[in-house]
Amino acid sequence: QQQVKQSPQSLIVQKGGISIINCAYENTAFDYFPWYQQFPGKGPALLIAIRPDVSEKKEGRFTISFNKSAKQFSLHIMDSQPGDSATYYCAASMRSGYSTLTFGKGTMLLVSP
Amino acid sequence: ETGVTQSPTHLIKTRGQQVTLRCSSQSGHNTVSWYQQALGQGPQFIFQYYREEENGRGNFPPRFSGLQFPNYSSELNVNALELDDSALYLCASRGSQEETQYFGPGTRLLVL
Repeated sequence: QQQVKQSPQSLIVQKGGISIINCAYENTAFDYFPWYQQFPGKGPALLIAIRPDVSEKKEGRFTISFNKSAKQFSLHIMDSQPGDSATYYCAASMRSGYSTLTFGKGTMLLVSP
Repeated sequence: ETGVTQSPTHLIKTRGQQVTLRCSSQSGHNTVSWYQQALGQGPQFIFQYYREEENGRGNFPPRFSGLQFPNYSSELNVNALELDDSALYLCASRGSQEETQYFGPGTRLLVL
């Protein structure tokens, strides 16, 4: 059972455009939702994270939108740059218990120059 | 770069062998988790150690085992290697009161 579903699987965006990646979760006990960025040959790096008590969080060009009732959240990358080309993973965890991360399957983003 | 380091970076083993992977957590972090990332997939939780005790485990068989040492570094041991064990193995550390997990660069394991 996949608890976090991520789409699209891959995405091509022109430089300067907006990249949008979507995730949906099933377990309503999840209360922490991070996004990780991974470059080839590297481990995932935390990009931005949100808790369900807010509907949006912005850090620089990166914004998370969160819809608790729909159990969905999304990552928006504004003014996408070629250096943003990487694989992006949404994840979810619970503050209670192990706080382990459940990841989506990832989105491979290519920003064309 | 996080302060999490892993060794070795790459490893080639044959089916049936045993392997040990190592992780040094970021300074001050007492909780270490291990994840398996198959090619083209998101990381999957293997287990977590807190103060030298395993306190959480994902859907992995007992041939996957681990240790955490008093300095909070950790080992992942896999016995009776199978071809499907070929993956990137990631270690992540965090403080006990924190939610953010910081990942190391991983160990790429190839089982032939």
